[in-house]
Amino acid sequence: GQQVMQIPQYQHVQEGEDFTTYCNSSTTLSNIQWYKQRPGGHPVFLIQLVKSGEVKKQKRLTFQFGEAKKNSSLHITATQTTDVGTYFCAGDDTDKLIFGTGTRLQVFP
Amino acid sequence: NAGVTQTPKFRVLKTGQSMTLLCAQDMNHEYMYWYRQDPGMGLRLIHYSVGEGTTAKGEVPDGYNVSRLKKQNFLLGLESAAPSQTSVYFCASSENTGELFFGEGSRLTVL
Repeated sequence: GQQVMQIPQYQHVQEGEDFTTYCNSSTTLSNIQWYKQRPGGHPVFLIQLVKSGEVKKQKRLTFQFGEAKKNSSLHITATQTTDVGTYFCAGDDTDKLIFGTGTRLQVFP
Repeated sequence: NAGVTQTPKFRVLKTGQSMTLLCAQDMNHEYMYWYRQDPGMGLRLIHYSVGEGTTAKGEVPDGYNVSRLKKQNFLLGLESAAPSQTSVYFCASSENTGELFFGEGSRLTVL
């Protein structure tokens, strides 16, 4: 079955530094979604990417979908303490979403 | 506007006991999902449903059963709980395979 891997598993940064998490799928995806989960909370939808090579921005967050639609990345510019949490990608595998293992981001003030 | 509601939020079971987790959504979504979350494992799909009366297996279905008798409800059952089923369970719903709306989670401990 489809597998979705994310790296790194953990990332500790100083406030103001940039952060990037990478997502790789074993199969071609029709679309990819990104979620954020705050400590003790539930995953919350951030964005969906559909087109090959697509790039979308949300304030300090930049999302990219690879040309082959098998990988994606999330980049945060100038992290803030409010960015703390675990970031998950999720790939569409025929009627269901398969989640990556997540990247836990810790931001030190 | 409740969104997705899970009950119970916490439960402690002994090995071999049975229980049912209830998920209810008020957004008229066709798709519903049950995931489990364990440290370092991300979210793993247990079972899902693409409409009332339908269910399908996900990545880790063994030891669980589900039912979708009503469109707004998706039940997850454990017939004979095992310590390996200690986890946080999340229900989610969506329209097709678009944005997932998650419940608050149900924390289950099996002793």
